[in-house]
Amino acid sequence: GAVVSQHPSRVICKSGTSVKIECRSLDFQATTMFWYRQFPKKSLMLMATSNEGSKATYEQGVEKDKFLINHASLTLSTLTVTSAHPEDSSFYICSAREEWQGAYSSPLHFGNGTRLTVT
Amino acid sequence: QKEVEQNSGPLSVPEGAIASLNCTYSDRGSQSFFWYRQYSGKSPELIMFIYSNGDKEDGRFTAQLNKASQYVSLLIRDSQPSDSATYLCAVIRRNNFNKFYFGSGTKLNVKP
Repeated sequence: GAVVSQHPSRVICKSGTSVKIECRSLDFQATTMFWYRQFPKKSLMLMATSNEGSKATYEQGVEKDKFLINHASLTLSTLTVTSAHPEDSSFYICSAREEWQGAYSSPLHFGNGTRLTVT
Repeated sequence: QKEVEQNSGPLSVPEGAIASLNCTYSDRGSQSFFWYRQYSGKSPELIMFIYSNGDKEDGRFTAQLNKASQYVSLLIRDSQPSDSATYLCAVIRRNNFNKFYFGSGTKLNVKP
């Protein structure tokens, strides 16, 4: 259980275009999903927390107008990189956790990631 | 001080040996602890989690938690070359289950 699906796995786009990445929780509902970015040989960097039915919460330094997040349902969040530039090339990973009742947190489950290359 | 600290490595162990990966955390209010494995170019995958002091075993993996000393460890018995990856430690505080604090990871090399 607790599978997170992310598409596409790889995308190449031209500078100035927009790219949409989808993240779905396949067998559980997630009111909250998380978007990470990772550069080669670097650690995960949380970009934003996606909240179903409300606005996403962006981390400091992340441009909300550039990285548009929509969490339209309990199983789907999307990240749109608008007017992409070569410096946006990176590995984008979404994640979600099942919401347990109890004193302890359930683990985070990651999608397979999207490797974005902007030419 | 970082929330979660890990030695970046690389940690090199021979095949068949025990690999010991360590993680320390700064907040005493932390209560949920997770280990992830990340192969190069792939996303992290959950290995195991631990909430209570002591050891928790799952196959070749054992997580050890010591809240008094604020560290959590992962032992990998009978290490295989396929275990070569970066291992990430993540910690959750009791007051916010949506805030995962990740360490920067330890790179493990298992040599045949």
